[in-house]
Amino acid sequence: GAVVSQHPSRVICKSGTSVKIECRSLDFQATTMFWYRQFPKKSLMLMATSNEGSKATYEQGVEKDKFLINHASLTLSTLTVTSAHPEDSSFYICSARDPGGFGQYFGAGTRLSVL
Amino acid sequence: QKEVEQDPGPLSVPEGAIVSLNCTYSNSAFQYFMWYRQYSRKGPELLMYTYSSGNKEDGRFTAQVDKSSKYISLFIRDSQPSDSATYLCAMGRSNDYKLSFGAGTTVTVRA
Repeated sequence: GAVVSQHPSRVICKSGTSVKIECRSLDFQATTMFWYRQFPKKSLMLMATSNEGSKATYEQGVEKDKFLINHASLTLSTLTVTSAHPEDSSFYICSARDPGGFGQYFGAGTRLSVL
Repeated sequence: QKEVEQDPGPLSVPEGAIVSLNCTYSNSAFQYFMWYRQYSRKGPELLMYTYSSGNKEDGRFTAQVDKSSKYISLFIRDSQPSDSATYLCAMGRSNDYKLSFGAGTTVTVRA
């Protein structure tokens, strides 16, 4: 099956620092990747759609300057949380679209804690 | 009204029972439907994927879609404690690749 690797799985940082999260499709090429945020006991909230070689499309209410997305290759997308603050603490999950259909395969998620 | 409605539960069943999960939706543009399983602090895992009304079976899992009623279901037969997780329904349109998720139903299978 399709495998999506997300790294790191856990990060703790001080307020004001930037954190980069990587999302890789290991056995397929992903022209489209997605970034989600999930609050405890809540469903997934789509933050942005990342297309290889073009600018990301952000959902309404998501600050593009706060959450920088880069999709430089067909197997790698990165999310950088800039100048992180405690309210950015959350579970961030990436997914990659199945190139043959509409399904999405998810990474294991990154738990970000900003002190 | 949310686009996708899913009862968050929690749902607790004895081992071996049938687990029945469902979602309703309001957007008739949804054309493909999925069920994901998510263990605590992990990413969702794709269980079932279908794009037509009717039943689809895969091992102990059966997905049902009724587009006329805007209703989808997932049945888990012979449930096991390892099935204890949160189950999320998801659906999307064919004109983009975004998914709309239900709130997720937390299921516990008691040994």
